Amino acid sequence: GAVVSQHPSWVICKSGTSVKIECRSLDFQATTMFWYRQFPKQSLMLMATSNEGSKATYEQGVEKDKFLINHASLTLSTLTVTSAHPEDSSFYICSGDPPGQGGGYTFGSGTRLTVV
Amino acid sequence: QKEVEQDPGPLSVPEGAIVSLNCTYSNSAFQYFMWYRQYSRKGPELLMYTYSSGNKEDGRFTAQVDKSSKYISLFIRDSQPSDSATYLCAMSAGEYGNKLVFGAGTILRVKS
Repeated sequence: GAVVSQHPSWVICKSGTSVKIECRSLDFQATTMFWYRQFPKQSLMLMATSNEGSKATYEQGVEKDKFLINHASLTLSTLTVTSAHPEDSSFYICSGDPPGQGGGYTFGSGTRLTVV
Repeated sequence: QKEVEQDPGPLSVPEGAIVSLNCTYSNSAFQYFMWYRQYSRKGPELLMYTYSSGNKEDGRFTAQVDKSSKYISLFIRDSQPSDSATYLCAMSAGEYGNKLVFGAGTILRVKS
């Protein structure tokens, strides 16, 4: 099946610094990729939809200047958490929608961000 | 009212039991329905996907969609301890580039 590779899987950073998370589709071209955030014991919350070669579409309440998304190629999307603060600590997951899965996304393995 | 309702559980069953997981939804535009399995601290894994109403079987898993009732189900036969995870239903109105709307997830525990 389709594979989405996400790195890093775990990162700790100091408050005020920026962190970049990479999401790569390994065996399909991802025109669209989706970024989610998940708090412990909660479901996934869609943050933004990234489209190759254009600006991302952010969900209501998501700060576009804090969560910078770049989708420069059909296989790579990045999420940069700028000026991170402890409240940004969470589990971030990316996904793509490869063909042949009836609308089902393939998710990356997730990135656990801890801001200290 | 949420677009997708799913009982969060936890649901605890003995090994070998048949498990039934369910979701209801309110948006009649949904046409594509999926079930994901998520282990702790991992990304969700696509288990089953179906289009419109009907049944689909894959090994020990059977997915059912009843659009007239706005109700979807996932059945797991001969449940194993390795099936212990959170199961999320998801649905969308289109096949590509469309937002998936997720249920809250049901925690399943299969006891050996």
